[in-house]
Amino acid sequence: DADVTQTPRNRITKTGKRIMLECSQTKGHDRMYWYRQDPGLGLRLIYYSFDVKDINKGEISDGYSVSRQAQAKFSLSLESAIPNQTALYFCATRGTEPNYGYTFGSGTRLTVV
Amino acid sequence: GDSVTQMEGPVTLSEEAFLTINCTYTATGYPSLFWYVQYPGEGLQLLLKATKADDKGSNKGFEATYRKETTSFHLEKGSVQVSDSAVYFCALSDRNNFNKFYFGSGTKLNVKP
Repeated sequence: DADVTQTPRNRITKTGKRIMLECSQTKGHDRMYWYRQDPGLGLRLIYYSFDVKDINKGEISDGYSVSRQAQAKFSLSLESAIPNQTALYFCATRGTEPNYGYTFGSGTRLTVV
Repeated sequence: GDSVTQMEGPVTLSEEAFLTINCTYTATGYPSLFWYVQYPGEGLQLLLKATKADDKGSNKGFEATYRKETTSFHLEKGSVQVSDSAVYFCALSDRNNFNKFYFGSGTKLNVKP
């Protein structure tokens, strides 16, 4: 099994619909992250969580919400999807040492029509 | 603030050519530096890292040396293969502020047989 699992892998949804992207990890790390990737813009941080009770906004949190259901689970919701939220979404986890990098999931490709 | 700048792509090379992808950084502290690779349809994977000046990270034939004097962390490989075709991201982690992790915008590499 992958260290970080994201579901679904691909999703097409209509404008105005609510959608949830799910993420689970088996690394045992407390820190989890949601990133968005757009062509030419690299990765941008949406939300991050250092433990179940600690949720923080990233640089582009507007239009998104998150839920940390357990240490291993971190879901991202789009309350009312809009076309400019079409992107590739990545969940990641990271250990507590600054020298450690991220472990990423395989991504969810979301298209809002 | 801290940032990472990568050369723009795409970079197109023939198989067995020498690869350099430039990365420079700006940091107020003492960052750790990373290279990630993203193969088509997949998430980002850690390729190599270096945690202090003059360290050399290496993996799968790729190398990068942490140059504090030039604030650079250029990625090199002596002989690329078609299977190296991917997007490469340079990144830094601020060791004085664990919340800060910065990605470059990515450089796409195409290797032709």
